Amino acid sequence: NAGVTQTPKFRILKIGQSMTLQCTQDMNHNYMYWYRQDPGMGLKLIYYSVGAGITDKGEVPNGYNVSRSTTEDFPLRLELAAPSQTSVYFCASSYGTGNSNQPQHFGDGTRLSIL
Amino acid sequence: AQSVAQPEDQVNVAEGNPLTVKCTYSVSGNPYLFWYVQYPNRGLQFLLKYITGDNLVKGSYGFEAEFNKSQTSFHLKKPSALVSDSALYFCAVRVRLNTDKLIFGTGTRLQVFP
Repeated sequence: NAGVTQTPKFRILKIGQSMTLQCTQDMNHNYMYWYRQDPGMGLKLIYYSVGAGITDKGEVPNGYNVSRSTTEDFPLRLELAAPSQTSVYFCASSYGTGNSNQPQHFGDGTRLSIL
Repeated sequence: AQSVAQPEDQVNVAEGNPLTVKCTYSVSGNPYLFWYVQYPNRGLQFLLKYITGDNLVKGSYGFEAEFNKSQTSFHLKKPSALVSDSALYFCAVRVRLNTDKLIFGTGTRLQVFP
């Protein structure tokens, strides 16, 4: 049971570089989410998607972009990396209806450092 | 604005003793409440949820949570703590109707000492 898989697990970037964080899920969930976790701050929602071709901004979308071309994949793109984007990034998925009580399932995260 | 608060950054408890991790919330309407656990270098794992019905909800690994509408609280409890329960615990509330988005608390680190 793979669940939600994130790659890479660790990455160090230089300021101004770009990269894509990959996320894929095999549970046929329609909803997918990207969060960042900073110490003492809990999780903040960056972007989410309710299905293929549909994405929307969360609380902290600036500096990031997403796409959802398939049900399984939800990559997160950093175009111009900044030190403020040093964080742990989590992808999650769930079966959603807009009024669902189903829990979200999380990947193990990508630890990103911008130097 | 809808929010969730975990007032304790860390909770320390001896193995075998009962534990409580506190959570309070502020939402419009009836809340959907969740508890998640995070072990080192891992993602969050779902523990339990309150949707409606019985105020005492049972979840994974012997954990339970008590919903108290008058105090707007959803405290996580376990009758007898294990060293392996040591982890970071997050309370979360669904934002509002017609969305599945969650707002997470800042987390409480539980340390269980042998």
